[in-house]
Amino acid sequence: SQKIEQNSEALNIQEGKTATLTCNYTNYSPAYLQWYRQDPGRGPVFLLLIRENEKEKRKERLKVTFDTTLKQSLFHITASQPADSATYLCALVAGRRALTFGSGTRLQVQP
Amino acid sequence: DGGITQSPKYLFRKEGQNVTLSCEQNLNHDAMYWYRQDPGQGLRLIYYSQIVNDFQKGDIAEGYSVSREKKESFPLTVTSAQKNPTAFYLCASSIDSRYHGELFFGEGSRLTVL
Repeated sequence: SQKIEQNSEALNIQEGKTATLTCNYTNYSPAYLQWYRQDPGRGPVFLLLIRENEKEKRKERLKVTFDTTLKQSLFHITASQPADSATYLCALVAGRRALTFGSGTRLQVQP
Repeated sequence: DGGITQSPKYLFRKEGQNVTLSCEQNLNHDAMYWYRQDPGQGLRLIYYSQIVNDFQKGDIAEGYSVSREKKESFPLTVTSAQKNPTAFYLCASSIDSRYHGELFFGEGSRLTVL
């Protein structure tokens, strides 16, 4: 069956360190993969999109990698700040014309 | 400002009652979506619409109904047939479903069935 897996355990890191979140998928051949940020009780907000022919994408302190061989995307936040604390969701498109989301990983950045 | 407006933000209903959640967008987007989110879980697709007067079922459409009579509006009705309707409901839109670009989400509607 198709699955998108993100670490359900919260990631706790110190301010200033790099946070790395993982998104693994099985039985998908996605053309695109996206990352969203969601704060409690709010709707998700789009962060980055990476295409299957792109290995890496950057935006300010954010970096996303996409390895179609490993079926994995890594999401990095460098120089993390307490304001980066949120749940981060990965989502992909494969076949059907709608995004499928992972369950998200909660990031907590300690001051 | 352009965006997606969901209402109401909080809704309480008795078991067996139908309830309709509103979603309006002024982004001139073709595609609109409804997702459901349960605690600690990801978003699950209920219905989506790529164009006016057309919509498709998502993964968990049973017990829900939608309409798309206007480009800017995509209301969701949670019917009494939905076994466990208490959840956080999110509406979203995108420029064009074929583009696979970013989704713009509303702030959500939290439905509690008593």
